[in-house]
Amino acid sequence: GAGVSQSPSNKVTEKGKDVELRCDPISGHTALYWYRQRLGQGLEFLIYFQGNSAPDKSGLPSDRFSAERTGESVSTLTIQRTQQEDSAVYLCASSLRAHNYGYTFGSGTRLTVV
Amino acid sequence: AQSVAQPEDQVNVAEGNPLTVKCTYSVSGNPYLFWYVQYPNRGLQFLLKYITGDNLVKGSYGFEAEFNKSQTSFHLKKPSALVSDSALYFCALERGSQGNLIFGKGTKLSVKP
Repeated sequence: GAGVSQSPSNKVTEKGKDVELRCDPISGHTALYWYRQRLGQGLEFLIYFQGNSAPDKSGLPSDRFSAERTGESVSTLTIQRTQQEDSAVYLCASSLRAHNYGYTFGSGTRLTVV
Repeated sequence: AQSVAQPEDQVNVAEGNPLTVKCTYSVSGNPYLFWYVQYPNRGLQFLLKYITGDNLVKGSYGFEAEFNKSQTSFHLKKPSALVSDSALYFCALERGSQGNLIFGKGTKLSVKP
């Protein structure tokens, strides 16, 4: 597509429920990134996929967080047993190549855990 | 450890005046530096990047940034601010060969008429 698409744009969930966030990157972009942005804060790196290589999961805050990506297509970020501190905007970005290229960001999914 | 610092939470500028948004970094090796802008309720947009070459980098919307290796800085500048430049600005550093960016906390730019 023309840009990075994320869905849903907004999600309200009850504490303890699982949620799944989706990211559809720009066609042909081999690199895909997930970031979290808490209210009034900077971007916190979560996970990074580059082609068919093993993902860099070093930013995932706990084992409740996981992400998958099949090839160079759609990625899903799953948060199990959501907690109130998971409330944030989850941003996905893709890049043509892993190094030296700017990212194209999606508009994000605003997650609210009540 | 690699890091990015934006020392100002907010910068206030009058329309028509020059603006500077500060960024300093810490990295071993050559830095790859980026600026992004986030308008309210929208995703981040790429402004410019420094990889190598000329220390003055020009980007979108009339913005430019100056790479200063001795001061480990990459300040964002614009000669004449517009009210529409009001947004949240993020400086970012590429982390080694792995490609993911480390972002600063962001600086809110407010341009008043």
